[in-house]
Amino acid sequence: ILNVEQSPQSLHVQEGDSTNFTCSFPSSNFYALHWYRWETAKSPEALFVMTLNGDEKKKGRISATLNTKEGYSYLYIKGSQPEDSATYLCAFLRTSYDKVIFGPGTSLSVIP
Amino acid sequence: DAGVIQSPRHEVTEMGQEVTLRCKPISGHNSLFWYRQTMMRGLELLIYFNNNVPIDDSGMPEDRFSAKMPNASFSTLKIQPSEPRDSAVYFCASSFSDYGYTFGSGTRLTVV
Repeated sequence: ILNVEQSPQSLHVQEGDSTNFTCSFPSSNFYALHWYRWETAKSPEALFVMTLNGDEKKKGRISATLNTKEGYSYLYIKGSQPEDSATYLCAFLRTSYDKVIFGPGTSLSVIP
Repeated sequence: DAGVIQSPRHEVTEMGQEVTLRCKPISGHNSLFWYRQTMMRGLELLIYFNNNVPIDDSGMPEDRFSAKMPNASFSTLKIQPSEPRDSAVYFCASSFSDYGYTFGSGTRLTVV
């Protein structure tokens, strides 16, 4: 059974704070890692697709890093805003033809 | 592009009735996924298709669930007969290669 874990489960930060959370996945047989943002009452939205060890991706105030050898990825949000409040999901693929395994998500609340 | 289109958005039905959920993936995407979201299990993959062919249906809960993809632009998920425990939000997603998944808005199913 493949386990994709995310920590923390939930997080409350003040507006303007920077924050980060972790996705852990099996370090053997890596193909790709996805990050999604899922706002309440909406559908998940893809943020990043990462495939190479050492990859760093950035979109506005949000960035992600990837370490495939040790099996983790970090998502960083700089200067959190209330509109960043959402659940952040990571999803792992072991091979190109495998199904994505979603982590349980980190629920972020940004307090104005 | 209008994105992944799911219908209906909401469905309320009586136990024992047949329910059909519909999905139109993004044109050009070659993979289609059906997910179910519940409080207990988060996002569960039910089945996925690649080039209209079912690749993995191991997540389909039982024989009451069936899915078809008769062509590249349409898929259905059918539950017959429906039960109250099938109540959930059902998401369809499509993807092309490694570019991440695009999710539809979901169908909220309530079986009473």
